[in-house]
Amino acid sequence: QVQLQESGPGLLKPSETLSLTCTVSGGSISPYYWNWVRQPPGKRLEWIGSMYYSGNTYYNPSLESRVAMSVDTSKNQFSLTLASVSASDTAVYYCTRRSGHPDYWGLGTLVTVSS
Amino acid sequence: DIQMTQSPSTLSASVGDRVTITCRASQTINSWLAWYQHKPGKAPNLLIYKASTLGSGVPSRFSGSGSGTEFTLTINNLQPDDFATYFCHHYDSYPYTFGQGTKLEIK
Repeated sequence: QVQLQESGPGLLKPSETLSLTCTVSGGSISPYYWNWVRQPPGKRLEWIGSMYYSGNTYYNPSLESRVAMSVDTSKNQFSLTLASVSASDTAVYYCTRRSGHPDYWGLGTLVTVSS
Repeated sequence: DIQMTQSPSTLSASVGDRVTITCRASQTINSWLAWYQHKPGKAPNLLIYKASTLGSGVPSRFSGSGSGTEFTLTINNLQPDDFATYFCHHYDSYPYTFGQGTKLEIK
């Protein structure tokens, strides 16, 4: 059974950089698309971006100037960085897999931005 | 961006009932729509993909229909384990978007 686990700091100060890692177990990073999705408190889910295992990336235009994704196939991990965070970036962040259709999700990790 | 409008936001029902949740896309997404069940503290669970294909291990009381811009998730013979939040997700084109979710509560 494929499992995804997000990890990273849960508390950031405004202007800092958010860095999260998703570790994939029970399956390989290839040949899938890997996504980051977030859900701010009380709001709907928001797609952040997708990365193919080979490195091609697609970002939400609303976040594109601050987002970067990367993959480490040797560790079966992929990562998200979001620069210059503010309170509006407070959310539960999920990593997900797409194999033709989006299938597996992680449990999510809460990231709070507060001074 | 393609906007996904999901209704209702909250739904009260009893064990054994049949319920329907709807998602409407602001433009055609063909059949590139998935439905998920989400419970607190757990990962969202794929129920339906490509609008009407049942996910692996998902009970047959769940079904999906629709294409283009109108989609429905139907749950027949509600079971106690089905009370959760449900949301739709289009994957037709970037940026992907989601419905706002439907909380299914016990009446």
